[in-house]
Amino acid sequence: EVRLLESGGGFVQPGGSLRLSCAASGFTFKDYAMKWVRQAPGKGLEWVSGISASGGSTYYTDSVKGRFTISRDNSKNTLYLQMNTLGADDTAVYYCAKNHWLDFFDYWGQGTLVTVSS
Amino acid sequence: EIVMTQSPATLSVFPGERVTLSCRASQSVSSNLAWYQQKPGQAPRLLIYGASTRATGIPVRFSGSGSGTEFTLTISSLQSEDFAVYYCQQYKNWPPLTFGGGTKVEIK
Repeated sequence: EVRLLESGGGFVQPGGSLRLSCAASGFTFKDYAMKWVRQAPGKGLEWVSGISASGGSTYYTDSVKGRFTISRDNSKNTLYLQMNTLGADDTAVYYCAKNHWLDFFDYWGQGTLVTVSS
Repeated sequence: EIVMTQSPATLSVFPGERVTLSCRASQSVSSNLAWYQQKPGQAPRLLIYGASTRATGIPVRFSGSGSGTEFTLTISSLQSEDFAVYYCQQYKNWPPLTFGGGTKVEIK
């Protein structure tokens, strides 16, 4: 059974940082690209970042470029999202999602809430 | 960036009714279109990919159609567990991957 378990969310002041983790199990993690998708309270889904299976290629939506860094440790079956210079617009539930062979998502974690507020 | 537009924003239906949800892309995405279902407090669940292929375990009452810029998700007979928000997503050209704004299917 595929399982994705996010952690690391919480309350942070504007300008602060957080590091999200996503522990994966039930599939061969090193073989699949992974993504982060977020959902602001009461809003729709927004793709945030993606990383190739090897970790050699990374992608970001424009609003987080230069502030967020996606990475993975295939030896630990774990995906990360380092988030710096957080602002109120970054408040959301952050989901990690497993890529199918193409760039849609066949499995999602339960999400971790990030709240940016003073 | 490919903009995905879903309509209507909200759909009020009786259980047992046939439901049709629409998704339009600002430029052709061929058949690179997925549909997800999201219930309150839960993560999204993949329903359809390749515009018309049901994901593993998805009931046959869910079907997808379309290609290019116009897509449809049909629920043949709405069950109580189908009341949720539905999102489409294109994966033809990215970054960015883009989602529609969602259609909420609620009980009439």
